Amino acid sequence: EAGVAQSPRYKIIEKRQSVAFWCNPISGHATLYWYQQILGQGPKLLIQFQNNGVVDDSQLPKDRFSAERLKGVDSTLKIQPAKLEDSAVYLCASRGSGYNEQFFGPGTRLTVL
Amino acid sequence: AQSVTQLDSHVSVSEGTPVLLRCNYSSSYSPSLFWYVQHPNKGLQLLLKYTSAATLVKGINGFEAEFKKSETSFHLTKPSAHMSDAAEYFCVVSDHGPGTALIFGKGTTLSVSS
Repeated sequence: EAGVAQSPRYKIIEKRQSVAFWCNPISGHATLYWYQQILGQGPKLLIQFQNNGVVDDSQLPKDRFSAERLKGVDSTLKIQPAKLEDSAVYLCASRGSGYNEQFFGPGTRLTVL
Repeated sequence: AQSVTQLDSHVSVSEGTPVLLRCNYSSSYSPSLFWYVQHPNKGLQLLLKYTSAATLVKGINGFEAEFKKSETSFHLTKPSAHMSDAAEYFCVVSDHGPGTALIFGKGTTLSVSS
């Protein structure tokens, strides 16, 4: 079975620019998560989707971050405008129905200069 | 609120010697606990999970962990380290049953020398 796909794998931008990340979860997985992992720390949840609805976005900085999952499959995470402190790895994970583990993608490493 | 504390940021062992990575948790409910491993430039991989069944949990690659409620601990062990075990290890808690987001510790870097 194919895993969680993310692109791009790496992105370098300057502060105040915009950037978007894409995630394709494992086929059939209804739940999708975006995590932010700052260097030296564990991942932190940004947003959780169930199908195309938001379950939890309490830790998403909504003044600059947005995410969508319009058809309940792929998802995009956008940052506009980026700040230096947004430099991190952005991880996407998905989970199937029932009590299954979360499967993580390889992540997108963002560097904001 | 739930939280996780990994007591060591870096652990160094020799190949063939035991591994112990320590984790304490705080939870208002009966938690689910996990250990994930992250190899350089690779995605997070689940090593093992505790979900209120047996307190001694066996995972992949010879790792195991014991849930001790009285000590609020979930330490990860392996009898004999391999070079391939060198990676970042995360202790993780989830409070509210399946499907909820995971709360990660800050990670422990395991180094294995020959």
